Amino acid sequence: GESVGLHLPTLSVQEGDNSIINCAYSNSASDYFIWYKQESGKGPQFIIDIRSNMDKRQGQRVTVLLNKTVKHLSLQIAATQPGDSAVYFCAERTPGNQFYFGTGTSLTVIP
Amino acid sequence: NAGVMQNPRHLVRRRGQEARLRCSPMKGHSHVYWYRQLPEEGLKFMVYLQKENIIDESGMPKERFSAEFPKEGPSILRIQQVVRGDSAAYFCASSGSGGPYEQYFGPGTRLTVT
Repeated sequence: GESVGLHLPTLSVQEGDNSIINCAYSNSASDYFIWYKQESGKGPQFIIDIRSNMDKRQGQRVTVLLNKTVKHLSLQIAATQPGDSAVYFCAERTPGNQFYFGTGTSLTVIP
Repeated sequence: NAGVMQNPRHLVRRRGQEARLRCSPMKGHSHVYWYRQLPEEGLKFMVYLQKENIIDESGMPKERFSAEFPKEGPSILRIQQVVRGDSAAYFCASSGSGGPYEQYFGPGTRLTVT
Protein backbone atom coordinates (compact mmCIF):
# COMPACT_ATOMS: atom_id res chain seq x y z
CA GLY A 1 0.00 0.00 0.00
CA GLU A 2 0.91 3.63 -0.16
CA SER A 3 2.62 5.31 2.75
CA VAL A 4 3.39 8.83 3.62
CA GLY A 5 5.72 9.27 6.55
CA LEU A 6 7.09 12.09 8.58
CA HIS A 7 10.66 12.22 9.79
CA LEU A 8 9.89 13.77 13.18
CA PRO A 9 6.83 12.87 15.18
CA THR A 10 7.27 15.85 17.54
CA LEU A 11 8.82 19.25 17.16
CA SER A 12 9.25 22.00 19.71
CA VAL A 13 10.24 25.52 18.71
CA GLN A 14 10.57 28.86 20.41
CA GLU A 15 8.02 31.49 19.57
CA GLY A 16 9.36 33.64 16.77
CA ASP A 17 11.65 30.98 15.36
CA ASN A 18 11.07 29.29 12.03
CA SER A 19 9.70 25.73 11.94
CA ILE A 20 10.41 23.08 9.36
CA ILE A 21 8.27 19.96 9.16
CA ASN A 22 9.36 17.21 6.80
CA CYS A 23 7.48 14.51 4.97
CA ALA A 24 8.49 11.60 2.76
CA TYR A 25 6.02 10.24 0.24
CA SER A 26 6.13 6.92 -1.51
CA ASN A 27 4.48 7.22 -4.91
CA SER A 28 6.67 8.92 -7.49
CA ALA A 29 3.59 9.36 -9.68
CA SER A 30 1.71 11.43 -7.10
CA ASP A 31 0.93 14.76 -8.67
CA TYR A 32 -0.53 16.88 -5.91
CA PHE A 33 0.32 17.44 -2.27
CA ILE A 34 -1.37 19.21 0.60
CA TRP A 35 -0.33 20.25 4.07
CA TYR A 36 -3.00 20.25 6.76
CA LYS A 37 -3.06 21.53 10.31
CA GLN A 38 -5.18 19.74 12.87
CA GLU A 39 -5.89 21.15 16.30
CA SER A 40 -7.10 18.94 19.08
CA GLY A 41 -10.70 17.88 18.61
CA LYS A 42 -11.04 19.55 15.23
CA GLY A 43 -10.94 18.55 11.60
CA PRO A 44 -7.87 19.08 9.44
CA GLN A 45 -7.50 22.59 8.11
CA PHE A 46 -6.02 23.20 4.68
CA ILE A 47 -2.79 25.18 4.85
CA ILE A 48 -1.14 25.07 1.47
CA ASP A 49 -0.88 22.84 -1.56
CA ILE A 50 1.56 22.25 -4.37
CA ARG A 51 1.38 20.46 -7.67
CA SER A 52 4.16 18.21 -8.89
CA ASN A 53 5.19 20.62 -11.64
CA MET A 54 6.35 23.08 -8.99
CA ASP A 55 9.26 23.03 -6.54
CA LYS A 56 8.14 25.74 -4.19
CA ARG A 57 5.02 27.58 -3.23
CA GLN A 58 4.60 30.34 -0.72
CA GLY A 59 1.64 31.41 1.32
CA GLN A 60 1.20 33.67 4.27
CA ARG A 61 4.07 32.75 6.63
CA VAL A 62 4.21 29.26 5.11
CA THR A 63 6.29 27.80 2.32
CA VAL A 64 6.08 24.32 0.88
CA LEU A 65 9.05 22.79 -0.87
CA LEU A 66 8.82 19.73 -3.08
CA ASN A 67 11.80 17.59 -4.03
CA LYS A 68 10.58 14.98 -6.46
CA THR A 69 14.01 13.43 -6.84
CA VAL A 70 13.97 12.14 -3.28
CA LYS A 71 10.18 12.22 -2.84
CA HIS A 72 10.37 14.72 -0.04
CA LEU A 73 8.04 17.50 1.02
CA SER A 74 8.59 20.13 3.65
CA LEU A 75 6.53 22.82 5.31
CA GLN A 76 8.27 25.91 6.57
CA ILE A 77 6.48 28.20 9.01
CA ALA A 78 8.05 31.59 9.50
CA ALA A 79 7.99 33.37 12.85
CA THR A 80 6.14 30.55 14.56
CA GLN A 81 3.40 31.63 16.93
CA PRO A 82 1.67 29.82 19.82
CA GLY A 83 -1.41 29.48 17.63
CA ASP A 84 0.63 27.33 15.26
CA SER A 85 0.79 24.57 17.85
CA ALA A 86 -1.03 21.61 16.30
CA VAL A 87 -0.46 18.37 14.43
CA TYR A 88 0.60 18.83 10.83
CA PHE A 89 -0.13 16.26 8.15
CA CYS A 90 1.07 16.00 4.62
CA ALA A 91 -1.02 14.22 2.03
CA GLU A 92 -0.23 12.98 -1.45
CA ARG A 93 -2.70 12.45 -4.25
CA THR A 94 -1.99 9.36 -6.30
CA PRO A 95 -2.90 8.80 -9.95
CA GLY A 96 -5.94 6.90 -8.69
CA ASN A 97 -7.21 10.14 -7.13
CA GLN A 98 -6.77 8.83 -3.62
CA PHE A 99 -5.23 10.87 -0.86
CA TYR A 100 -2.80 9.25 1.54
CA PHE A 101 -1.98 10.98 4.78
CA GLY A 102 1.01 10.67 7.03
CA THR A 103 0.78 10.03 10.75
CA GLY A 104 1.50 13.66 11.52
CA THR A 105 4.03 15.82 13.34
CA SER A 106 3.05 17.46 16.57
CA LEU A 107 4.36 21.02 16.70
CA THR A 108 4.63 22.73 20.07
CA VAL A 109 5.49 26.40 20.21
CA ILE A 110 7.17 27.50 23.41
CA PRO A 111 6.27 31.07 24.40
CA ASN B 1 -19.95 31.01 4.74
CA ALA B 2 -20.96 27.52 5.82
CA GLY B 3 -18.16 25.02 5.63
CA VAL B 4 -18.43 21.27 5.65
CA MET B 5 -20.91 20.19 8.28
CA GLN B 6 -21.02 16.88 10.04
CA ASN B 7 -23.45 15.51 12.55
CA PRO B 8 -23.64 14.26 15.08
CA ARG B 9 -20.35 15.48 16.53
CA HIS B 10 -20.33 12.66 19.04
CA LEU B 11 -22.09 9.34 18.74
CA VAL B 12 -22.20 6.50 21.23
CA ARG B 13 -23.41 3.11 20.14
CA ARG B 14 -23.52 -0.30 21.76
CA ARG B 15 -22.01 -3.24 19.98
CA GLY B 16 -24.36 -4.54 17.34
CA GLN B 17 -26.20 -1.27 16.78
CA GLU B 18 -26.09 0.84 13.64
CA ALA B 19 -24.26 4.13 13.31
CA ARG B 20 -25.27 6.78 10.78
CA LEU B 21 -22.92 9.65 10.15
CA ARG B 22 -24.00 12.61 8.05
CA CYS B 23 -21.99 15.06 6.01
CA SER B 24 -23.15 18.17 4.19
CA PRO B 25 -20.46 19.42 1.81
CA MET B 26 -19.60 23.04 1.28
CA LYS B 27 -22.03 24.95 -0.90
CA GLY B 28 -21.28 24.25 -4.52
CA HIS B 29 -19.12 21.21 -3.82
CA SER B 30 -20.08 17.97 -5.50
CA HIS B 31 -17.27 15.67 -4.33
CA VAL B 32 -17.32 14.05 -0.91
CA TYR B 33 -14.67 11.94 0.81
CA TRP B 34 -14.85 10.00 4.04
CA TYR B 35 -11.82 9.29 6.22
CA ARG B 36 -11.28 7.47 9.48
CA GLN B 37 -8.79 8.56 12.09
CA LEU B 38 -7.67 6.48 15.04
CA PRO B 39 -6.01 8.19 18.03
CA GLU B 40 -2.43 9.26 17.33
CA GLU B 41 -2.76 8.19 13.70
CA GLY B 42 -3.22 9.86 10.36
CA LEU B 43 -6.33 9.88 8.23
CA LYS B 44 -7.21 6.74 6.33
CA PHE B 45 -9.19 7.10 3.12
CA MET B 46 -12.46 5.20 3.05
CA VAL B 47 -14.62 6.30 0.14
CA TYR B 48 -14.97 8.98 -2.53
CA LEU B 49 -18.40 9.91 -3.82
CA GLN B 50 -20.05 12.30 -6.21
CA LYS B 51 -23.77 12.92 -6.33
CA GLU B 52 -25.50 9.53 -6.69
CA ASN B 53 -22.21 7.80 -7.55
CA ILE B 54 -19.55 5.97 -5.62
CA ILE B 55 -16.30 6.76 -7.39
CA ASP B 56 -13.86 4.85 -5.21
CA GLU B 57 -14.66 2.73 -2.17
CA SER B 58 -11.40 0.85 -2.03
CA GLY B 59 -10.66 2.05 1.49
CA MET B 60 -13.92 0.92 2.97
CA PRO B 61 -14.35 -2.47 4.64
CA LYS B 62 -16.38 -4.78 2.46
CA GLU B 63 -18.82 -5.70 5.19
CA ARG B 64 -20.96 -3.57 7.49
CA PHE B 65 -19.88 -0.27 5.95
CA SER B 66 -21.73 1.61 3.23
CA ALA B 67 -21.86 5.16 1.95
CA GLU B 68 -24.16 7.19 -0.21
CA PHE B 69 -24.45 10.71 -1.53
CA PRO B 70 -27.98 11.17 -2.82
CA LYS B 71 -29.12 13.79 -5.26
CA GLU B 72 -30.72 15.68 -2.42
CA GLY B 73 -29.50 15.76 1.14
CA PRO B 74 -26.27 14.95 2.91
CA SER B 75 -23.85 12.14 2.35
CA ILE B 76 -24.36 9.26 4.77
CA LEU B 77 -21.76 6.84 6.10
CA ARG B 78 -23.50 3.85 7.63
CA ILE B 79 -21.89 1.28 9.86
CA GLN B 80 -24.01 -1.72 10.67
CA GLN B 81 -23.53 -3.99 13.67
CA VAL B 82 -20.79 -1.81 15.12
CA VAL B 83 -17.88 -3.35 16.99
CA ARG B 84 -15.45 -1.76 19.43
CA GLY B 85 -12.84 -1.49 16.69
CA ASP B 86 -15.09 0.94 14.84
CA SER B 87 -14.50 3.55 17.54
CA ALA B 88 -12.71 6.40 15.83
CA ALA B 89 -13.13 9.89 14.47
CA TYR B 90 -14.76 9.95 11.05
CA PHE B 91 -14.07 12.97 8.90
CA CYS B 92 -15.79 14.10 5.78
CA ALA B 93 -14.17 16.39 3.22
CA SER B 94 -15.54 18.04 0.11
CA SER B 95 -14.09 19.58 -3.01
CA GLY B 96 -15.47 21.49 -5.93
CA SER B 97 -16.16 20.61 -9.54
CA GLY B 98 -12.46 20.70 -10.32
CA GLY B 99 -12.21 17.28 -8.77
CA PRO B 100 -10.16 15.84 -5.91
CA TYR B 101 -7.88 18.74 -5.34
CA GLU B 102 -8.26 21.15 -2.48
CA GLN B 103 -10.34 19.36 0.11
CA TYR B 104 -12.09 21.05 2.99
CA PHE B 105 -12.76 19.02 6.07
CA GLY B 106 -15.65 18.97 8.47
CA PRO B 107 -15.23 18.87 12.26
CA GLY B 108 -15.66 15.10 12.37
CA THR B 109 -17.91 12.65 14.16
CA ARG B 110 -16.41 10.85 17.10
CA LEU B 111 -17.90 7.40 17.32
CA THR B 112 -17.60 5.45 20.54
CA VAL B 113 -18.74 1.85 20.64
CA THR B 114 -19.38 0.51 24.11
